[in-house]
Amino acid sequence: GDSVTQMEGPVTLSEEAFLTINCTYTATGYPSLFWYVQYPGEGLQLLLKATKADDKGSNKGFEATYRKETTSFHLEKGSVQVSDSAVYFCALKIGHRDDKIIFGKGTRLHILP
Amino acid sequence: GAVVSQHPSRVICKSGTSVKIECRSLDFQATTMFWYRQFPKQSLMLMATSNEGSKATYEQGVEKDKFLINHASLTLSTLTVTSAHPEDSSFYICSARGAGGLNEQYFGPGTRLTVT
Repeated sequence: GDSVTQMEGPVTLSEEAFLTINCTYTATGYPSLFWYVQYPGEGLQLLLKATKADDKGSNKGFEATYRKETTSFHLEKGSVQVSDSAVYFCALKIGHRDDKIIFGKGTRLHILP
Repeated sequence: GAVVSQHPSRVICKSGTSVKIECRSLDFQATTMFWYRQFPKQSLMLMATSNEGSKATYEQGVEKDKFLINHASLTLSTLTVTSAHPEDSSFYICSARGAGGLNEQYFGPGTRLTVT
């Protein structure tokens, strides 16, 4: 079945370090891919998305490229800040009308000042 | 905009009792609401989808008689866990989807349920 696998955390980095959170997926159809972020005490927020192969989603300095050949959607940021500390979820959705979102387990990120 | 709230944020109840969790869209009308469940260190798992004024559609393996969902208005959905047991202890998250420009799912902050 459809699934998302992302690296387990927690990930601890120093401020201004380079961040990569790996995400790979398995899908029977042609999925849209998402990264959601959950800050402490808040709901999940859509961080970025990509709807077709080779698309790059970007927001707030974060980027992820839809790689069909490797079924991956790794999240990257060149220089992290303390305020980026949160839980990050990779997710996929099949088709236009299907609202069902399949999530990875989440990766907790700690940024040290 | 597009804020979703949940109440309560935490609840502890005794085994055998029922507990109701509310999900509200504060600044938009939610034509569809979704209920998810998250176990520690696990993914969010979709439990059910509800459209305003209609019966909820439950995912395979989710007991509809145990997890009662009501979506009586365009801004409110409730999840009632009936005859709760310790294995129902979990983190419950709702999301809401509007129409037109608010076609994404917007998530609430979650409710931590502990059944003793």
